[in-house]
Amino acid sequence: ETGVTQTPRHLVMGMTNKKSLKCEQHLGHNAMYWYKQSAKKPLELMFVYSLEERVENNSVPSRFSPECPNSSHLFLHLHTLQPEDSALYLCASSQAAGTTEAFFGQGTRLTVV
Amino acid sequence: QKEVEQDPGPLSVPEGAIVSLNCTYSNSAFQYFMWYRQYSRKGPELLMYTYSSGNKEDGRFTAQVDKSSKYISLFIRDSQPSDSATYLCAMSERDFNKFYFGSGTKLNVKP
Repeated sequence: ETGVTQTPRHLVMGMTNKKSLKCEQHLGHNAMYWYKQSAKKPLELMFVYSLEERVENNSVPSRFSPECPNSSHLFLHLHTLQPEDSALYLCASSQAAGTTEAFFGQGTRLTVV
Repeated sequence: QKEVEQDPGPLSVPEGAIVSLNCTYSNSAFQYFMWYRQYSRKGPELLMYTYSSGNKEDGRFTAQVDKSSKYISLFIRDSQPSDSATYLCAMSERDFNKFYFGSGTKLNVKP
């Protein structure tokens, strides 16, 4: 148990569906992240939230929409995805600025059909 | 040019061997250097991190940072089959909530 929990673990969705990924951290951290992990590619940072405010958006397509209602929860809302969006989506958290240890959830394996 | 370069492997070694995993980077502003281990179907798990140059040892694992060469290494002594996983290096500038990851090296330790 890493203290960062992601649900669901697996998700299959059609290109016209709308779904949401959920992340919850029990570590008292103030920063949370969404990463995308595709096969044989580096982890790609998608979004960063610090104290519930979005501080980084790495040119992610608008079909991915993050939401951070409080410092413990992070969502990634998905709509009209493409097959190339199939990947492992990882949530991570860390302390406030200056702390660089990131703790990851187990990820959601997303397949877009 | 990628910020962080890592040989994807796979690297296959016999049990008990010393394993050397490496990453190179281009950004001289990186101050923190981390190694993550990722088992199949799991999220990355932080193994070790170091600040600036030097060595850090934790059990069978030793992390080395050479900032002059922009090169970091992770050594695993007396490797075990349970060490079989993908190892990712990651780096960060100081006071910045952003991590740059290598693509990961897949390690297989054969019994």
